[in-house]
Amino acid sequence: TQLLEQSPQFLSIQEGENLTVYCNSSSVFSSLQWYRQEPGEGPVLLVTVVTGGEVKKLKRLTFQFGDARKDSSLHITAAQPGDTGLYLCAATSGTYKYIFGTGTRLKVLA
Amino acid sequence: DTAVSQTPKYLVTQMGNDKSIKCEQNLGHDTMYWYKQDSKKFLKIMFSYNNKELIINETVPNRFSPKSPDKAHLNLHINSLELGDSAVYFCASSRTSGYQETQYFGPGTRLLVL
Repeated sequence: TQLLEQSPQFLSIQEGENLTVYCNSSSVFSSLQWYRQEPGEGPVLLVTVVTGGEVKKLKRLTFQFGDARKDSSLHITAAQPGDTGLYLCAATSGTYKYIFGTGTRLKVLA
Repeated sequence: DTAVSQTPKYLVTQMGNDKSIKCEQNLGHDTMYWYKQDSKKFLKIMFSYNNKELIINETVPNRFSPKSPDKAHLNLHINSLELGDSAVYFCASSRTSGYQETQYFGPGTRLLVL
């Protein structure tokens, strides 16, 4: 059983479409992070959310932390081929330990 | 300049061999990590060191032994390699071990055990 479940697992869309990726858990977390990983590289941090209900925007990306701090969503507006990659959510549990989600592989077609 | 570097990038070896992966960070961070990413892209923490001291040691076989000679380096030695050890191993670092700290990941070491 994974502590952090992401959905969908795979997503293939056309350029210009909108999409939402979800990260869900039954546990409460101190903070939650979203990363993007491109082939052959390590994950790169996009955002950290720490307050229940918090919404952060990064250009066309909107991140939301659930009110109960158990879940999060990532919404991309007008997706572009450069958004293609593996999106990972991660949360802290216990002392200094990061738990990563199951991942969402996004492909944006030109 | 590379922030977190790992060597080698690719490692192909036979079952039963012993191998080491090296990691260096030039960010002046106090905390370093080793993660394993399996074929399904699931990323799992293995170890974490803060100021050269081990602070996280997940359920990892004792064939894996991390060593931190100084704050800028965290190496991973693996004894008696098994087929199931094939994965991508990522090193990461952060300024402190706090939960809001940004982790910077290295490019990964792709290990294939034959």
